Amino acid sequence: DTEVTQTPKHLVMGMTNKKSLKCEQHMGHRAMYWYKQKAKKPPELMFVYSYEKLSINESVPSRFSPECPNSSLLNLHLHALQPEDSALYLCASSLRRGRITEAFFGQGTRLTVV
Amino acid sequence: AQTVTQSQPEMSVQEAETVTLSCTYDTSESDYYLFWYKQPPSRQMILVIRQEAYKQQNATENRFSVNFQKAAKSFSLKISDSQLGDAAMYFCAYRSWGSGTYKYIFGTGTRLKVLA
Repeated sequence: DTEVTQTPKHLVMGMTNKKSLKCEQHMGHRAMYWYKQKAKKPPELMFVYSYEKLSINESVPSRFSPECPNSSLLNLHLHALQPEDSALYLCASSLRRGRITEAFFGQGTRLTVV
Repeated sequence: AQTVTQSQPEMSVQEAETVTLSCTYDTSESDYYLFWYKQPPSRQMILVIRQEAYKQQNATENRFSVNFQKAAKSFSLKISDSQLGDAAMYFCAYRSWGSGTYKYIFGTGTRLKVLA
């Protein structure tokens, strides 16, 4: 299994809503990432979890709240988002048996904030 | 800080022809990884090829090969016998070597069009 699975694939939410993005991998990777990608731009790193602990937070606004319940799951909780937060949100994983591998990406969640 | 530059926003190639995408980077580190990722309209970032900086031999994966020039800090991707399915956005990426480092630094991307 070399997949990173993200749900939902599409999400439309209002600025007062609370929603969550989910990411799952079963490759035994111990590092998981959230990226934000705007159209025709490269992915921008938001958060990195390694061994279920938050190791990098790229000064992301608190309306984005990551959670890593276990080594296979990564969530991104969304609350009071702004229209400019509309983007493709990509999850990735890497790090197997203590060795950093290339990052494997999911298909992303296309988020629209209205 | 490391930077990655892709100077070609868009490239076109005829089907079955060869195309080369350019990437340059800046770093003071001696050990690192370089990657080319492909992002088709389906949105998923797919690894095309990987190069470890300590390896002098250029990486190859079927129709994809790189020209890694460490001294010049250049890492170009050559696609041979281009196919319609190669049409995508291509990102060059850098990652430090250390086990505690997780950041991938991406270039701005090159959109490749394949003409039938």
